[in-house]
Amino acid sequence: GENVEQHPSTLSVQEGDSAVIKCTYSDSASNYFPWYKQELGKGPQLIIDIRSNVGEKKDQRIAVTLNKTAKHFSLHITETQPEDSAVYFCAASRGNQGGKLIFGQGTELSVKP
Amino acid sequence: GAVVSQHPSRVICKSGTSVKIECRSLDFQATTMFWYRQFPKQSLMLMATSNEGSKATYEQGVEKDKFLINHASLTLSTLTVTSAHPEDSSFYICSASGTQRPNTIYFGEGSWLTVV
Repeated sequence: GENVEQHPSTLSVQEGDSAVIKCTYSDSASNYFPWYKQELGKGPQLIIDIRSNVGEKKDQRIAVTLNKTAKHFSLHITETQPEDSAVYFCAASRGNQGGKLIFGQGTELSVKP
Repeated sequence: GAVVSQHPSRVICKSGTSVKIECRSLDFQATTMFWYRQFPKQSLMLMATSNEGSKATYEQGVEKDKFLINHASLTLSTLTVTSAHPEDSSFYICSASGTQRPNTIYFGEGSWLTVV
């Protein structure tokens, strides 16, 4: 069935460094790839998304890249700050499923001051 | 931007009782709402998908008679955990999507359920 693999499961960086989280998906019909940030005890917050008709999208310190051929997509956070510490989830969905998301396993990012 | 609100944020109930969790889209019409369950340090597990005015579609292994989902309007979906047991204790999260931007999903803040 549909599957999204996310790596690494934990990531620790120094403040100011960059962080990269990678995901692969199995369903070649997937065309929407959002990234969510989840803080402890809260619901996931959409931070950036990308659709299959583009290869890269950037929003200030956050960027996402998509390689449809390889079925890979990645989240890049530059100039990390302690408040970036959280669990990050990637997800994938098909357009014809009304937004049904398949989630990766999550990455716990820790940014040390 | 779009906002999805969940209520209550925390609830404690006794074994055998039922508890209802509400999910509301505040500034858009949610044609589809999703209910997830999340255990500590784990990913989100989709329980069911509900479309306004029709019966929910449950994922494999999710008991539809135990987790009753109603999506009576374009702004409200409810999840009722019936005859709750301690193993039902979990973090329940809803999400919603609408026609204003297809496939953009917004999540609620989640509801912590503790069954004692």
